[in-house]
Amino acid sequence: AQSVSQHNHHVILSEAASLELGCNYSYGGTVNLFWYVQYPGQHLQLLLKYFSGDPLVKGIKGFEAEFIKSKFSFNLRKPSVQWSDTAEYFCAVNTNAGKSTFGDGTTLTVKP
Amino acid sequence: DAGITQSPRYKITETGRQVTLMCHQTWSHSYMFWYRQDLGHGLRLIYYSAAADITDKGEVPDGYVVSRSKTENFPLTLESATRSQTSVYFCASSKGTGGLINTGELFFGEGSRLTVL
Repeated sequence: AQSVSQHNHHVILSEAASLELGCNYSYGGTVNLFWYVQYPGQHLQLLLKYFSGDPLVKGIKGFEAEFIKSKFSFNLRKPSVQWSDTAEYFCAVNTNAGKSTFGDGTTLTVKP
Repeated sequence: DAGITQSPRYKITETGRQVTLMCHQTWSHSYMFWYRQDLGHGLRLIYYSAAADITDKGEVPDGYVVSRSKTENFPLTLESATRSQTSVYFCASSKGTGGLINTGELFFGEGSRLTVL
């Protein structure tokens, strides 16, 4: 069964700092990869996705992620965070089995 | 465009009672999912459905029952609620791409916060 590991449970940054959240998965076959964001009190929404092609994908609000197949990684980055980026971030993997597996999430707190 | 709606949004019940959480989507997505979200555990899949009348267990199915008689509805029933089922429950849907495969892109409802006393 696939699993997803997010290395950082809680990250605290000041505004304008750069962000990188790690995500590794274990599955040997073809995967679709996702990052979701959950703002306080809200439901999860898609931040960005990777299906195939260019391993560097861009999402909403200036976020991007890079798929490195050899490392089974899909790390999320943002060059300069804002206070409004305070949220919980989830990495997810979907395989041909039809269901998605989520990491435990990373809570990002951005101090103004 | 209603999307995906869950009801009730908040529910308090007692141990041993039956509870049903409703989920309705307007996109005609073939796949639907139920996740629970608990601190320290992220999202864990309870049950999912690839189409009407096709359901399958996820990671944590014990104590839950689902049905899918219509494509748009996917209710989750706790037959005899326990305190360990206190959680936030999210319903999600995904567009199928043919066969038993979906895109993996999930559209989530607002969540149902359940407290079992």
